[in-house]
Amino acid sequence: DIQMTQSPSSLSASVGDRVTITCRASQSIRSYLNWYQQKPGKAPKLLIYAASSLQSGVPSRFSGSGSGTDFTLTISSLQPEDFATYYCQQSFSTPPYTFGQGTKLDIK
Amino acid sequence: EVQLVESGGGLVQPGGSLRLSCAASGFTFSNYVMSWVRQAPGKGLEWVSSISGSGDIKYYADSVKGRFTISRDNSKNTLYLQMTSLSAEDTAVFYCAKFTLTTLSFDSWGQGTLVTVSS
Repeated sequence: DIQMTQSPSSLSASVGDRVTITCRASQSIRSYLNWYQQKPGKAPKLLIYAASSLQSGVPSRFSGSGSGTDFTLTISSLQPEDFATYYCQQSFSTPPYTFGQGTKLDIK
Repeated sequence: EVQLVESGGGLVQPGGSLRLSCAASGFTFSNYVMSWVRQAPGKGLEWVSSISGSGDIKYYADSVKGRFTISRDNSKNTLYLQMTSLSAEDTAVFYCAKFTLTTLSFDSWGQGTLVTVSS
């Protein structure tokens, strides 16, 4: 099975900061990489699909890049509502569709 | 508007069984792969199972294979997860998620239903 590893596991930042979260796959997954945001007690929300495509309704301060095994999620200017946990997830080939372990972003 | 509403969670004893349901609306249910994703307390997301739109193709995580059965009733726009031989390790919030093949992503999620396995 394909393993997904995110870094860092946690991150403290301030409103207005630029933040980057990294996700690495154990083998090439081409661009079959998605990013989700989850707030406490809520369901995950799709932010980015196919590594770099912004889901409808998601603010443009979120962006994704990468292909193969290395991917990044960037938030260009953190807003108060962005403090949450972020997960990457691969959809290469058939299931299992594995998730990264998550990156918790909190306020510095 | 897409809506996914899970039900059926609760407290069950180790070794017991439970059936989860997910009522879908706002989209043509039979056209979409549907999945279950779970999250143990304080832990990350774990994909559990997926089923094709027609119901003839099913996938399971190794951790639940042989114990869980995914199914769907397209006439009722409802997804199911039959869970047997439950253990404490299955304690989690179970989310129903719509999987879109054009984007290969889980683009809509339910609010989740909590399954607690404890004596």
